[in-house]
Amino acid sequence: DVQLVQSGAEVKKPGESLKISCQGSGYNFRTYWIAWVRQMPGKGLEWMGIIYPDDSDATYSPSFQNHVSISVDKSAKTTYLQWNNLRASDTAMYFCARRNYFGSGTRHFGMDVWGQGTTVIVSS
Amino acid sequence: EIVMTQSPAILSVSPGERATLSCRASQTISSNLAWYQQRPGQAPRLLIYGASTRVTGIPVRFSGSGSGTEFTLTISSLQSEDFAIYYCQQYSNRPPAFSFGGGTKLEIK
Repeated sequence: DVQLVQSGAEVKKPGESLKISCQGSGYNFRTYWIAWVRQMPGKGLEWMGIIYPDDSDATYSPSFQNHVSISVDKSAKTTYLQWNNLRASDTAMYFCARRNYFGSGTRHFGMDVWGQGTTVIVSS
Repeated sequence: EIVMTQSPAILSVSPGERATLSCRASQTISSNLAWYQQRPGQAPRLLIYGASTRVTGIPVRFSGSGSGTEFTLTISSLQSEDFAIYYCQQYSNRPPAFSFGGGTKLEIK
């Protein structure tokens, strides 16, 4: 089965650091981009950034560019989302998702496999 | 940055009826649009890509249309499991990027 499995829930204090993970299995992990998506409580989906495991090329949404970093350990088939200075407003569910492509001429994309989500609570 | 706007925010429809959800892009995106369904407590599920192509296994009652800046997701003959939140998403390549609409909650009337 193709799947992404994320690390467990976290409770942290403002100012602390955190690294959550997303491990892929059942497919060629290196050759599919992995995205991170935030969902704040009761709110919609926000794309944060994306990384290509084979060469660690990463792109960020301007909204998250200077606050998080995305990395990968391709030997462990795992991508990471990291904060160095957590804020209360980082409290959310975080999903990783695989970007797949469809079509042979004009390519289209979609996030076709999702992790189960990691809950992050930041509170003093 | 491309902004995606969905309407309405909440749509109340009776089971068996048709639901029509709208999505607008702040600039033309050709047909680079996907639709997702999110049920409570679950991760989103990809329904449609390329504005109108259903993912394998998605029921035919789901259909997408549109191009440029105006898009529609239609669900004919609503089933109980279809009541959920739906998101549109635009995508681009080189570099890869995405943005989601704010979502439409489809609720039972």
